[in-house]
Amino acid sequence: AQTVTQSQPEMSVQEAETVTLSCTYDTSESDYYLFWYKQPPSRQMILVIRQEAYKQQNATENRFSVNFQKAAKSFSLKISDSQLGDAAMYFCAYRGRYNTDKLIFGTGTRLQVFP
Amino acid sequence: DAGVIQSPRHEVTEMGQEVTLRCKPISGHNSLFWYRQTMMRGLELLIYFNNNVPIDDSGMPEDRFSAKMPNASFSTLKIQPSEPRDSAVYFCASSLVPRNTEAFFGQGTRLTVV
Repeated sequence: AQTVTQSQPEMSVQEAETVTLSCTYDTSESDYYLFWYKQPPSRQMILVIRQEAYKQQNATENRFSVNFQKAAKSFSLKISDSQLGDAAMYFCAYRGRYNTDKLIFGTGTRLQVFP
Repeated sequence: DAGVIQSPRHEVTEMGQEVTLRCKPISGHNSLFWYRQTMMRGLELLIYFNNNVPIDDSGMPEDRFSAKMPNASFSTLKIQPSEPRDSAVYFCASSLVPRNTEAFFGQGTRLTVV
């Protein structure tokens, strides 16, 4: 069975600085999708970024980028120029490529941003 | 599009009562998930439907929990009888596979069983 592990329960960063959140996963599949979701205090789950495993290029969305290391089964999220609004829970998630594959989440990392 | 709509947003009920949570997925989506979120266990997948058919219900905690998807635009999660340990935030999410593999979430229902 696939698993997703986030080993950092909490992280903090100064405003305008850069922070990296870690995620590792375990799977026997070769083709799959990885995601980072943000959950602010409003509890709404918001998709931040997604990565297809067959793409070697790391995904980027504005200040958010990933470091996808397929062989190491690692999928970290880098937030550049951190803003106060980035403070939230961040969840890493995995989904296999088939329609019947479920979406599973890690335990989350709480990010604090200090002015 | 209005997004995934869940109702109610908050529910407080007494132990032993039946609770029904409702979800309307995004129009056109063919996959639907029910998740439970607690501080202790994080986001747990309870059940997953594809084209209205339950694909994986291995996360459903016990027989007190049941979920249905009678059509593509509506799903329910029922707990009967409810217990205090069922208190959590319950999320519904939908996606359109294979085009979009990410899931779009509703606002969640905060359930409190006293």
